[in-house]
Amino acid sequence: DIQMTQSPSTLSASVGDRVTITCRASQTIRSWLAWYQQKPGKAPKLLIYMASSLEGGVPLRFSGSGSGTEFTLTISSLQPEDFATYYCQQYDTYPITFGGGTKVEIK
Amino acid sequence: EVQLLESGGGLVQPGGSLRLSCAASGFTFSTYAMSWVRQAPGKGLDWVSGINYSGGSTYYADSVKGRFTISRDNSKNTLYLQLNSLRADDTAVYYCAPSTSATYFHHWGQGTLVTVSS
Repeated sequence: DIQMTQSPSTLSASVGDRVTITCRASQTIRSWLAWYQQKPGKAPKLLIYMASSLEGGVPLRFSGSGSGTEFTLTISSLQPEDFATYYCQQYDTYPITFGGGTKVEIK
Repeated sequence: EVQLLESGGGLVQPGGSLRLSCAASGFTFSTYAMSWVRQAPGKGLDWVSGINYSGGSTYYADSVKGRFTISRDNSKNTLYLQLNSLRADDTAVYYCAPSTSATYFHHWGQGTLVTVSS
């Protein structure tokens, strides 16, 4: 199975900060990577697919990059509504696997 | 509007069984693959199982292989997950989600909670 490792697991930041979350795959997944945002008690929300394609309706401050085994999610200017947990997910190979999550907290 | 309504969760004893359902509307169900993803309390997301548009191909996480069975009824726009030999670590909210051939998830249901406890 492909292991997805996210870092950091927790991130403390302030409104307006630039935030970067990293996701590493245990083997190449080409660009078959998605990012999700999840708030407590809610289902996940798709932000990015194919490593860098922005889902419709997602603010432009969110961006994704990378290919192969190293990927990043960047929030260019953190907004109050962005405090949440973020997950990466590979869909190159079954079984589908998620990263362990990155909780973005208020500093 | 895509709607996904999971049901069938509840409290079950270890070793017991449950059948989850996901009623889908707002899209052409029979042309989409479907997956179940779960989330244990306070934990991360865990893909459980997937099925192609026709039901002819199924996929499972190692942790549930041989215990869970995914199926679908395209005439009823409904996805199922049969959970057998349940264990405490199967306790989670179970979500259903459609996908194209690229298995990422634009839409999610609200989830149904399965609690395995004596």
